[in-house]
Amino acid sequence: AQSVTQLDSHVSVSEGTPVLLRCNYSSSYSPSLFWYVQHPNKGLQLLLKYTSAATLVKGINGFEAEFKKSETSFHLTKPSAHMSDAAEYFCVVSEAGGFKTIFGAGTRLFVKA
Amino acid sequence: KAGVTQTPRYLIKTRGQQVTLSCSPISGHRSVSWYQQTPGQGLQFLFEYFSETQRNKGNFPGRFSGRQFSNSRSEMNVSTLELGDSALYLCASSLAETRGTGELFFGEGSRLTVL
Repeated sequence: AQSVTQLDSHVSVSEGTPVLLRCNYSSSYSPSLFWYVQHPNKGLQLLLKYTSAATLVKGINGFEAEFKKSETSFHLTKPSAHMSDAAEYFCVVSEAGGFKTIFGAGTRLFVKA
Repeated sequence: KAGVTQTPRYLIKTRGQQVTLSCSPISGHRSVSWYQQTPGQGLQFLFEYFSETQRNKGNFPGRFSGRQFSNSRSEMNVSTLELGDSALYLCASSLAETRGTGELFFGEGSRLTVL
């Protein structure tokens, strides 16, 4: 069965410092993994996706994530936070042909000036 | 290319009423899925339609229903509204014909308040 766990409900960083949002997943098959971002009162926007190609995935706005099968992790990182990165981030797992797309509970990122 | 359009953006209903929400996917996308987002439960999957057929359904009561038209536009309906139905309802469309492989493109949502 699929599941996804975002290890932090809130993360607070200072502008210009690195961002790390953690995600662990469980999947019976080779999963597709995604990170989405949601700004207040907006829909979700795709940051990046992993679909069994390169394990280091680069996304928009300087974000990247590394797929680590041995650790069943797909952590999201960014070298330097910007105020505009303040939002909620969702880790998502699905299986090709599978019946469900599972969303994590979300991590709210706060960026301090 | 126009994005996913959801209408109405905001609405207020009273308990016992029913509501219909509309979603127009990106042109060419045949998969449309619906999600309920609340502070307490997070994002929960409602159902997914592909080429007018419901191919997956989440764990919601029968008061929640949906349909998809031949032009891929989709509607969802909630009957006999309860206070707990207050939420942001998000629609997403996808190009991928194989479930689970494609990027989801989300609309901005319909925020429903039940009084």
